[in-house]
Amino acid sequence: AQSVTQLDSHVSVSEGTPVLLRCNYSSSYSPSLFWYVQHPNKGLQLLLKYTSAATLVKGINGFEAEFKKSETSFHLTKPSAHMSDAAEYFCVVSALAAGNKLTFGGGTRVLVKP
Amino acid sequence: EAQVTQNPRYLITVTGKKLTVTCSQNMNHEYMSWYRQDPGLGLRQIYYSMNVEVTDKGDVPEGYKVSRKEKRNFPLILESPSPNQTSLYFCASSQGGNNSPLHFGNGTRLTVT
Repeated sequence: AQSVTQLDSHVSVSEGTPVLLRCNYSSSYSPSLFWYVQHPNKGLQLLLKYTSAATLVKGINGFEAEFKKSETSFHLTKPSAHMSDAAEYFCVVSALAAGNKLTFGGGTRVLVKP
Repeated sequence: EAQVTQNPRYLITVTGKKLTVTCSQNMNHEYMSWYRQDPGLGLRQIYYSMNVEVTDKGDVPEGYKVSRKEKRNFPLILESPSPNQTSLYFCASSQGGNNSPLHFGNGTRLTVT
């Protein structure tokens, strides 16, 4: 079994300040973990993925995430928020042993204030 | 351009009137899937397909049907839509395997009155 919990449904930051989106997962297997971003009226776009290589993963648009097995976390960060980062973000877990089933978190909506 | 194309983007219908939402991908992907997105619930998988003629239920399959007669197409069929199927629907595809990222369509917003 696997599950994903995004700890914040909404995050508000000022432009130029750091962004932290928290994700905790539960999996009986060795998971792959993803972060996707969804801009208004668009489909989801992959930001980054963790697949059991380096625990610190760099993605597009300056985002990165760190896989911490001991804490079962995969938090997403960006040092300096930009107005274009305003979107909804989804943490996703997948496992081959689970039949490649993807489980999505509930999403975190990011608001960036000028 | 590599893409997943869904049609229509918006659809308003009445209870009980059969409808089909089409999905097509041009990346020769083996894996295709349908999701519905509802506020606070993230995306929930309706059905998925590992390859042609191979489909399986996701988390919320009730009231939906799919088919995979060709690799590129994966239509979603609502035989008798009900208001609780009002939602935003996404089709996605990938090469397969749990390391493969999904490519999403732009969504279909369905309203059932």
